[in-house]
Amino acid sequence: AQSVAQPEDQVNVAEGNPLTVKCTYSVSGNPYLFWYVQYPNRGLQFLLKYITGDNLVKGSYGFEAEFNKSQTSFHLKKPSALVSDSALYFCAVRDEAGRRALTFGSGTRLQVQP
Amino acid sequence: DGGITQSPKYLFRKEGQNVTLSCEQNLNHDAMYWYRQDPGQGLRLIYYSQIVNDFQKGDIAEGYSVSREKKESFPLTVTSAQKNPTAFYLCASSIPGRLNTEAFFGQGTRLTVV
Repeated sequence: AQSVAQPEDQVNVAEGNPLTVKCTYSVSGNPYLFWYVQYPNRGLQFLLKYITGDNLVKGSYGFEAEFNKSQTSFHLKKPSALVSDSALYFCAVRDEAGRRALTFGSGTRLQVQP
Repeated sequence: DGGITQSPKYLFRKEGQNVTLSCEQNLNHDAMYWYRQDPGQGLRLIYYSQIVNDFQKGDIAEGYSVSREKKESFPLTVTSAQKNPTAFYLCASSIPGRLNTEAFFGQGTRLTVV
């Protein structure tokens, strides 16, 4: 069965500093990994995805994520955080050997202080 | 504008009542999904459908029912058998059979039992 873990409920960072939101996964086959962002009382917006190829994936709004197969991780990063990045972030996985629906982590709240 | 429309945005239900949440998409996607979101628990899969007239239970299907009579529509009924229905419900769609495609989400329906 596929699963995702986001070990931090909340991440606090000062504006202008780099940020990292952690994600680890467990799948049977090759993983297809995604990051989404959610603003209050809204749906999820897609940020980026890893399929195959380059381990560093670039996405929307200056975000990027690093895929590490040996550590089964897919951490979200941004070199310089903005106050407007404050939101709830979800990591998700789809397993080529498993069901087609995405499995989500529990979410990490990012708080960027001015 | 292509997208997923969920209605209503807010819904109040009395104890013992069934309610139906609407989800319509014009993205021409065959696959549609319903997720439930509770604080600190991320998104949990209720039901999903890969094609018209077919659907499968997700992880928390008890107390819910769905239908898929049209490609564009995937309504979710929360029945009186669902003991704790207060939550934020999210509908999504994607292209089935393509593991590398992201899912697109609606803006959600917040259901409250009064």
